[in-house]
Amino acid sequence: DAGVIQSPRHEVTEMGQEVTLRCKPISGHDYLFWYRQTMMRGLELLIYFNNNVPIDDSGMPEDRFSAKMPNASFSTLKIQPSEPRDSAVYFCASASRGLAGDWYQETQYFGPGTRLLVL
Amino acid sequence: AQTVTQSQPEMSVQEAETVTLSCTYDTSENNYYLFWYKQPPSRQMILVIRQEAYKQQNATENRFSVNFQKAAKSFSLKISDSQLGDTAMYFCASMEYNNNDMRFGAGTRLTVKP
Repeated sequence: DAGVIQSPRHEVTEMGQEVTLRCKPISGHDYLFWYRQTMMRGLELLIYFNNNVPIDDSGMPEDRFSAKMPNASFSTLKIQPSEPRDSAVYFCASASRGLAGDWYQETQYFGPGTRLLVL
Repeated sequence: AQTVTQSQPEMSVQEAETVTLSCTYDTSENNYYLFWYKQPPSRQMILVIRQEAYKQQNATENRFSVNFQKAAKSFSLKISDSQLGDTAMYFCASMEYNNNDMRFGAGTRLTVKP
């Protein structure tokens, strides 16, 4: 298995431009998470999906951010318009519900991240 | 490429006892950071502890401490006097200093039993 795949790995853009980050989860996984990592704030959960449905988007910073999961093998995180403070590493992770219970997921597998720089 | 391995998918401990979560990593860099993150049911990631690789002294934060064995590339987390609120997923992570490349382990689910 190739693991969680994210693209692009690096993105440099100018303020005001639209940015789209992509994620392909591990096949068979029914949870998908988007995180943002900065040195100042650490790792923040932005949104997560279960069976392609957004479950909790309370971590999405503002309306400029949107995420979609049109099918089980693909998700996007879009920033429009982008701002310099959006510069960060964005991680996607996927997981599969295990046998332990229904209140949170089993092990998560993280992608390599997309490093975004907004000038 | 960096890799981080957590070999214990789940663990349990009795309240007030001590538990150790294992983590091994691999990196070709000399300068890197190591982290333990906690993810409770709220799903928000909480930084538990951080270790700079150049520091020989093990990091400690209240009831949380690490055993950093650089030669063995091992970075275990010890939780003393476990509390019910410690129940969560715990992720080990490494970050190479020069390129800020960060990698995560798959997590260990810890359950603290009353």
